[in-house]
Amino acid sequence: NAGVTQTPKFQVLKTGQSMTLQCAQDMNHNSMYWYRQDPGMGLRLIYYSASEGTTDKGEVPNGYNVSRLNKREFSLRLESAAPSQTSVYFCASSAGGGGESYGYTFGSGTRLTVV
Amino acid sequence: GDSVTQMEGPVTLSEEAFLTINCTYTATGYPSLFWYVQYPGEGLQLLLKATKADDKGSNKGFEATYRKETTSFHLEKGSVQVSDSAVYFCALSDFGFQKLVFGTGTRLLVSP
Repeated sequence: NAGVTQTPKFQVLKTGQSMTLQCAQDMNHNSMYWYRQDPGMGLRLIYYSASEGTTDKGEVPNGYNVSRLNKREFSLRLESAAPSQTSVYFCASSAGGGGESYGYTFGSGTRLTVV
Repeated sequence: GDSVTQMEGPVTLSEEAFLTINCTYTATGYPSLFWYVQYPGEGLQLLLKATKADDKGSNKGFEATYRKETTSFHLEKGSVQVSDSAVYFCALSDFGFQKLVFGTGTRLLVSP
């Protein structure tokens, strides 16, 4: 089925460990996004990529890095995990560009716990 | 900056009751408006959208009208079902780039 695939679905890290969250889409979308979801705070944008080869900071980028590997893949890296990064992470994609505004397609999420 | 405000939850209803979830927005431009739904353990799914004033988005019995004069996009359904239990997010996109700004979400619980 076409869509956005995230791996892993669950992860437990110790404080200070690093890891990379993977995201891939097969809809030929130009734009990709990483959000985190925390109780009572909705979804907050971490980083986004308007098109292949570009990345920009969102609302809460500190402690994260991203790589737009190609048009399909957009990864999120935690270099030194902290308990404050315990959250559910969602990757999303959209057709991008101007004109008619399209919605996003979301992955099923990665539940990350940092102890 | 742009922002979205949703009513606090949870909203608890009996099956077949009428649903309204309020959403208001603040935006410098002329945004598109969306409702997303998140079922337990899943990602968000687009429920409906509206791209200009007075547009009505609708899907699965849900509907919302883009009201520019009151900067609102309230979600309604005439008769809810247990299967509608989920978290509902209102969102807007800045027209130039389509970054979505989300509200905090409203949990709906429907009992038989």
